Amino acid sequence: DAGVTQSPTHLIKTRGQQVTLRCSPKSGHDTVSWYQQALGQGPQFIFQYYEEEERQRGNFPDRFSGHQFPNYSSELNVNALLLGDSALYLCASSLATDTQYFGPGTRLTVL
Amino acid sequence: QKEVEQDPGPLSVPEGAIVSLNCTYSNSAFQYFMWYRQYSRKGPELLMYTYSSGNKEDGRFTAQVDKSSKYISLFIRDSQPSDSATYLCAMSGGGGATNKLIFGTGTLLAVQP
Repeated sequence: DAGVTQSPTHLIKTRGQQVTLRCSPKSGHDTVSWYQQALGQGPQFIFQYYEEEERQRGNFPDRFSGHQFPNYSSELNVNALLLGDSALYLCASSLATDTQYFGPGTRLTVL
Repeated sequence: QKEVEQDPGPLSVPEGAIVSLNCTYSNSAFQYFMWYRQYSRKGPELLMYTYSSGNKEDGRFTAQVDKSSKYISLFIRDSQPSDSATYLCAMSGGGGATNKLIFGTGTLLAVQP
């Protein structure tokens, strides 16, 4: 049973560019959440998708957007990248009210 | 004031020691409490999950929640070098543990052989 998978593993972009990160949830899970983890900090909640709709959103600007597909996989898009967007981006999946299981993350570096 | 406070460490202990990791929180709406372990440059791995107050034991790990004091703990018995990692506490409110998680900053633990 595959766990949560994310791609790519690493990504290097320059300021002003746009990036798309991808996530496949654990088998049987229908809810996907995205978190940003800066170096030395705990993960910060970006948003959550359920039934292809954004269900909750954290304190992140509109430059951060997402999508969930009918197969429950999800994308995180970040526009107009800033140096401060450099972080580990984590995807977590869950089912109903159960706990969240995290993927390995995508490390984004903005130069 | 942050919603969840966690001592960042680092915490260094000898192999076989009992480790105590703690978090305090300010939001009385939190009902679901989790501990995650994160190895360097990896995603967090769920260790323990507790609903409301009480204790929960799983092998060498024991999680305690004291909602009256807004204080949670993770104890690791017979610590091993493989336990060396960052330990993150996380919590959520109504809607279950699938609700957005609020994390502490993490405590870096090093178990010396």
